[in-house]
This record gives sequence, structure tokens and C-alpha cells, in this order.
Amino acid sequence: KQEVTQIPAALSVPEGENLVLNCSFTDSAIYNLQWFRQDPGKGLTSLLLIQSSQREQTSGRLNASLDKSSGRSTLYIAASQPGDSATYLCAVSEGAQKLVFGQGTRLTINP
Amino acid sequence: DAGVIQSPRHEVTEMGQEVTLRCKPISGHDYLFWYRQTMMRGLELLIYFNNNVPIDDSGMPEDRFSAKMPNASFSTLKIQPSEPRDSAVYFCASSTGVGTGELFFGEGSRLTVL
Repeated sequence: KQEVTQIPAALSVPEGENLVLNCSFTDSAIYNLQWFRQDPGKGLTSLLLIQSSQREQTSGRLNASLDKSSGRSTLYIAASQPGDSATYLCAVSEGAQKLVFGQGTRLTINP
Repeated sequence: DAGVIQSPRHEVTEMGQEVTLRCKPISGHDYLFWYRQTMMRGLELLIYFNNNVPIDDSGMPEDRFSAKMPNASFSTLKIQPSEPRDSAVYFCASSTGVGTGELFFGEGSRLTVL
């Protein structure tokens, strides 16, 4: 059974820092991996999608990497801002459409 | 596009009552998903549909839960009878294309069963 783990569960950093969020998964036979952002009381917003054949994806200040063989992904956030404060979740695709989510990392950026 | 639309946003009910949650997916999306989110268990997939047909309902907790998708623009998740342990945020999500996997989520329906 696929299990997705995110470490740390919570992270607090001062504004301007570069930071890395980690995601690990137990079964490397995945279709893709997604990173989501969730603001309090809101739904999830897709940030980056990495297909299984890809190594990384970039969007603005965000960069996500994927190492299938080791079962790991990282989300790199450059020059963090208070508006980046949210919970970040990673999810791996089992089969064509079924996603398994991690528990998330609650990120706080302090002004 | 208006995105995935869910209703109601909040529902408070008493144990034993029937609860119906509604979802309108993004037009053109072939897949629709129902997820449940709790502090203890995180996000769990309950059921998903492809072209209005239920594909995998292995996540539905028990017979008290049922989901339908009568057409491409509407789905319901029903709980009957409801119990306090059903209290959670229920999300609907939709996507298009096999293998792309990018999901678009609604704002969720927060259910409280007293």
C-alpha cells in the first residue's frame, strides 16, 4: 500500500529565506506527483505536477524535483514571502487518476 | 471558468439525519472525485467517477455513504444516517485526461454532526 510522508509537519522561517519541503513515498511505481497548497478553510490549489518521466518542474519561485528510484520529492521555495504561508501537500498518483496524499507541511513565513 | 462548485459550504446536523453534499465539476472534465479531510486521517479518497460512471468506491467507509453522478455536470454524496464521526471537510475535485492527474478542487463542504 502506498504511503506518503511529509517532513517536517510544520516549519516557521523568516521572510526572504529559501526553503525546502520534503515528501517521500514507499512505492516508486507512480504515474506522477503533485504539490498542492491549502489555505485555511479553503480547497487545494495545484502548484506543480511532475510526470513520472520528468525530474523537475518550475513555476515562478517554486521548483519541484522528483527522484522515483529513491521515492523522494522536494519543493523548493525561493525568497519566501508572508503570502507563502499555507499548508503544502504532496500527492502521488496510483494508477491513472488515484492520488494518495501526505499529511502536509504547515509553513509560516514571518515578516 | 468558475471552477469546481460545492454546496453547502457548511452543514450542521444532528446524528441520524440525512446529509446530501453537492458538486458541479469544471465543464469538460471527465473525472470527478470525492475526498474527505480530517485532522487525524488527512485527505482520503472516497470514490471517483469517469464519464459519470463510478470507477473505484473502495474508499467509501460504509453503506451509510453513497454517491451518484446523474450527468456530467452534477454529483452528490449522501450520508444516511449521519454519525458524529462523519464530521469532516468533504472535497469534490475534477480533472481531465488520463495520466495528467492535475486535480482542481472545490472549496469543500464542512460537515458537523452533533
